[in-house]
Amino acid sequence: DAKTTQPNSMESNEEEPVHLPCNHSTISGTDYIHWYRQLPSQGPEYVIHGLTSNVNNRMASLAIAEDRKSSTLILHRATLRDAAVYYCTGGTSYGKLTFGQGTILTVHP
Amino acid sequence: KAGVTQTPRYLIKTRGQQVTLSCSPISGHRSVSWYQQTPGQGLQFLFEYFSETQRNKGNFPGRFSGRQFSNSRSEMNVSTLELGDSALYLCASSLSGVRTDTQYFGPGTRLTVL
Repeated sequence: DAKTTQPNSMESNEEEPVHLPCNHSTISGTDYIHWYRQLPSQGPEYVIHGLTSNVNNRMASLAIAEDRKSSTLILHRATLRDAAVYYCTGGTSYGKLTFGQGTILTVHP
Repeated sequence: KAGVTQTPRYLIKTRGQQVTLSCSPISGHRSVSWYQQTPGQGLQFLFEYFSETQRNKGNFPGRFSGRQFSNSRSEMNVSTLELGDSALYLCASSLSGVRTDTQYFGPGTRLTVL
């Protein structure tokens, strides 16, 4: 299983960009990199995923390093509703996501 | 489209008892995965079911079991409860559980073992 390493916590101000890093040096060549976030008292929520190239959706952007050993989730303009625990996961295999400890994002007004 | 539902939302049991948790996936989703979340261990994968067959299993003792029905609804059972089984149990559904699938999580069942 791919092991992921993320900073324990990060802080941001509202409406500023946030870059959340993740190291996944043991990821296999076919594993997708998925990002989920978990708001208090809720189950995790999908944010974005990718394999090799950078990805964008309405929520965020995902920048994947060329060697695939790291990735960065980019929230372009943080809002208070983005305060959550963010997890990068090392791909899936028959419905299995391997979660690390995640990054607690605090957004200041 | 209705999301993933889990029942019950809260449970209190005593050591030695057994418990059954239920998960209804999003309509059309055939893969259901179960996770245990605790403050110490974080989110850990329990098992995954697809078309009524367990395809994948995490590193948990045999006291943890599950099943899936023909309508893709799934249950998990924990027998001989221990204090350490107190946790948030989450289920997630996806179309087929492959690498590119998005998993949609339910709100979880909070189990407290006394």
